[in-house]
Amino acid sequence: ETGVTQSPTHLIKTRGQQVTLRCSSQSGHNTVSWYQQALGQGPQFIFQYYREEENGRGNFPPRFSGLQFPNYSSELNVNALELDDSALYLCASSLALAASYGYTFGSGTRLTVV
Amino acid sequence: AQSVAQPEDQVNVAEGNPLTVKCTYSVSGNPYLFWYVQYPNRGLQFLLKYITGDNLVKGSYGFEAEFNKSQTSFHLKKPSALVSDSALYFCAVRDMDSSYKLIFGSGTRLLVRP
Repeated sequence: ETGVTQSPTHLIKTRGQQVTLRCSSQSGHNTVSWYQQALGQGPQFIFQYYREEENGRGNFPPRFSGLQFPNYSSELNVNALELDDSALYLCASSLALAASYGYTFGSGTRLTVV
Repeated sequence: AQSVAQPEDQVNVAEGNPLTVKCTYSVSGNPYLFWYVQYPNRGLQFLLKYITGDNLVKGSYGFEAEFNKSQTSFHLKKPSALVSDSALYFCAVRDMDSSYKLIFGSGTRLLVRP
């Protein structure tokens, strides 16, 4: 059984640019959630995708958007990058919508905005 | 508002001694509680969860947690610490309004000295 794979592992972007982060969910998992973990803080929920549609969203502006594909992989897109977007972005997959079923997290993508 | 608090930024313990990492929560209704561990440059790894039933929950790597409803706490424990347990530990609660979302604490760094 493969786990959750995220790419790239690190990247550096300039303020105002756009970025796309990718996530392959664990085999058999149909739900993908994205979290932002700023330095020294716990992860914050961005949004969740189920069957290619956004199922729920946290307190993040519309310039954070996502996609889920038929194979359940997912992308996180961030437009007009700001310095405060620098963080570790975590993707988590699960078998069902509710968090109580448990998430499998990827190792994350560390984004630095300069 | 629902929240999770981890009052200690860091916990230091000698190898072989028992360890406790504290967590308190504030939610309405019956909480679903989780502990995750994060090693350097890695994503979050699930340790254990409490949904219902026995207040003492056993998890991975010899960890356990005790749910205390009257004190609204869910402390993580291990009878004998290992140097390899040194990592960042996060307590989380399922959002009662949005069941797909986890609310994380700010994390506690555990340092086990030889």
